[in-house]
Amino acid sequence: ELKVEQNPLFLSMQEGKNYTIYCNYSTTSDRLYWYRQDPGKSLESLFVLLSNGAVKQEGRLMASLDTKARLSTLHITAAVHDLSATYFCAVGNDMRFGAGTRLTVKP
Amino acid sequence: DTAVSQTPKYLVTQMGNDKSIKCEQNLGHDTMYWYKQDSKKFLKIMFSYNNKELIINETVPNRFSPKSPDKAHLNLHINSLELGDSAVYFCASSPAGWDTQYFGPGTRLTVL
Repeated sequence: ELKVEQNPLFLSMQEGKNYTIYCNYSTTSDRLYWYRQDPGKSLESLFVLLSNGAVKQEGRLMASLDTKARLSTLHITAAVHDLSATYFCAVGNDMRFGAGTRLTVKP
Repeated sequence: DTAVSQTPKYLVTQMGNDKSIKCEQNLGHDTMYWYKQDSKKFLKIMFSYNNKELIINETVPNRFSPKSPDKAHLNLHINSLELGDSAVYFCASSPAGWDTQYFGPGTRLTVL
């Protein structure tokens, strides 16, 4: 059974700093998704990564996929308060989700 | 114009009742989904429909039945509600299977 592990689960960082969220998964997959969820809100699709080596960037967020290592990263550059949210990865055709990373960006 | 809409937004009901949640998308997408988010914020896909055909049915109790009258609608009917069904249910759609998904606002179901 596919298992998806995100770390860290909680991340508190200062504005202006860089950090990376990791999404590891247990079986081969060439399909990975990143989502954002604000407290009490719905989900927003951030990135769809469909091949080994895929890299996508939007603003201060950049996602990459290494299917051989079964690892995706979500890199945050020069964090701002507006990025505070929970970030989920989901893997594979059956969309197995990680537990989420709750990010808080402090001034 | 709301892209993906769900009704109702909140649903409070007693154990044993039957209820439905409706979802509509006006994006012309071919694929629609239902997700469940429990009280610990854990997300799980329940169903996916592509052009009115079921293409995923995760290990969901058969008390849950998706119904898609046309490709713009995917409703979720739940029989004999249980306490453990309390959660937020999200509908989503995408242009094709496994493409970027657009989510509805969610329906918070509380079973008493």
